[in-house]
Amino acid sequence: QVQIVQSGTDVKKPGASVNVSCKASGYTFTSYAIHWVRQAPGQRLEWMGWINAGSGNTKYSQRFQGRVTITRDTSASTAYMDLSRLISGDTAVYYCVTGSRREFWGQGTPVTVSS
Amino acid sequence: EIVLTQSPGTLCLSPGDRATLSCRASQTVSTSSLAWYQQNPGQAPRLLIYDTSSRATGIPDRFTGSGSGTDFTLTINRLEPEDFAVYYCQQYGSSLSFGQGTKVEIK
Repeated sequence: QVQIVQSGTDVKKPGASVNVSCKASGYTFTSYAIHWVRQAPGQRLEWMGWINAGSGNTKYSQRFQGRVTITRDTSASTAYMDLSRLISGDTAVYYCVTGSRREFWGQGTPVTVSS
Repeated sequence: EIVLTQSPGTLCLSPGDRATLSCRASQTVSTSSLAWYQQNPGQAPRLLIYDTSSRATGIPDRFTGSGSGTDFTLTINRLEPEDFAVYYCQQYGSSLSFGQGTKVEIK
């Protein structure tokens, strides 16, 4: 069955960067796009961008353009999300999502940004 | 960017009641581009409905999605204890966006 496993909890200082990984198994990695979605405490889900796991093409939300980079390593069936110039407002749980209907979610990676 | 507005913010209902959740889009959304998710505290969202009205695998038939254009609805018939959660609508055109959520809580 499909499994999506993300990297663990992270704590960063303002101005730093965070890298979250997302390892997929149980399907052909290049078959589906991978999206990144975040959820700040008590807030709605917020889409950050996606990568075509086959071609590597990406599209980012305007809100994160210039700060977010999504990559993938097909040999490792893993996608990565890098967010730079962190501020306290980036404190959130970060999810990767895949599947033909965006039905497979990772467990979420809590990221805290604090001085 | 398409903005989704859900109403009400909170629904207070009893087990066995019917819940009706609304999602309104700032511009027309294709019926093949609207989904609903359920989220319980501390968990990732779970896909319930895709393409406006198709139930995802394993989702019971008490969950029904409908709508078109800018107005979409999720109806939950005969609420079960496990249905008390937060529900989000999502549109997936060229990018994705989510509503702010509706919390269904026990009266």
